Amino acid sequence: DTEVTQTPKHLVMGMTNKKSLKCEQHMGHRAMYWYKQKAKKPPELMFVYSYEKLSINESVPSRFSPECPNSSLLNLHLHALQPEDSALYLCASSQDWFGTYEQYFGPGTRLTVT
Amino acid sequence: AQTVTQSQPEMSVQEAETVTLSCTYDTSESNYYLFWYKQPPSRQMILVIRQEAYKQQNATENRFSVNFQKAAKSFSLKISDSQLGDTAMYFCAPNFGNEKLTFGTGTRLTIIP
Repeated sequence: DTEVTQTPKHLVMGMTNKKSLKCEQHMGHRAMYWYKQKAKKPPELMFVYSYEKLSINESVPSRFSPECPNSSLLNLHLHALQPEDSALYLCASSQDWFGTYEQYFGPGTRLTVT
Repeated sequence: AQTVTQSQPEMSVQEAETVTLSCTYDTSESNYYLFWYKQPPSRQMILVIRQEAYKQQNATENRFSVNFQKAAKSFSLKISDSQLGDTAMYFCAPNFGNEKLTFGTGTRLTIIP
């Protein structure tokens, strides 16, 4: 199984809502990533978890809150978002954090903030 | 700062032709890993090919090959016998050893039937 799954596929939320994105992998990977991607742009790294610990936070606003409950699961909790946060949110995983390992990407959650 | 440049925002070629996508980068690291990823329209990003900087031999995966020139800091992707399914956004994304990929701006490739 070389799949990273993400739910939901689409999400529309108001600026006062609280919602969560979910990402799951069963490849035994120990590094997991959240990216934000705007249309026709490359993904921008948000967070890296390595062995279930947050190892990189790319100065992401606190309205985005990541969580790694176990080695297979990664959540991104959202609250008080702004319309400019509308984007495709990608999750990825890799065998380890070493640069030699490729990242496997999920299909993404398309988020619209109204 | 480590930077990645893809100088061709868009390209289009006829089916069955060969196309080369360019990528240059800047780093002071000597050991790193280079990747090309493909993102088809409305589909997920997948790895096309990878290259270790310490290897002189260029990587090849079926119709995909790279021309890696370490001294010139260049890592181009060649697609031979292009197919309609190759239509996608292609990202050059080295990992310079700091836990993360550094993405280029991407090249949108269209294969024309």
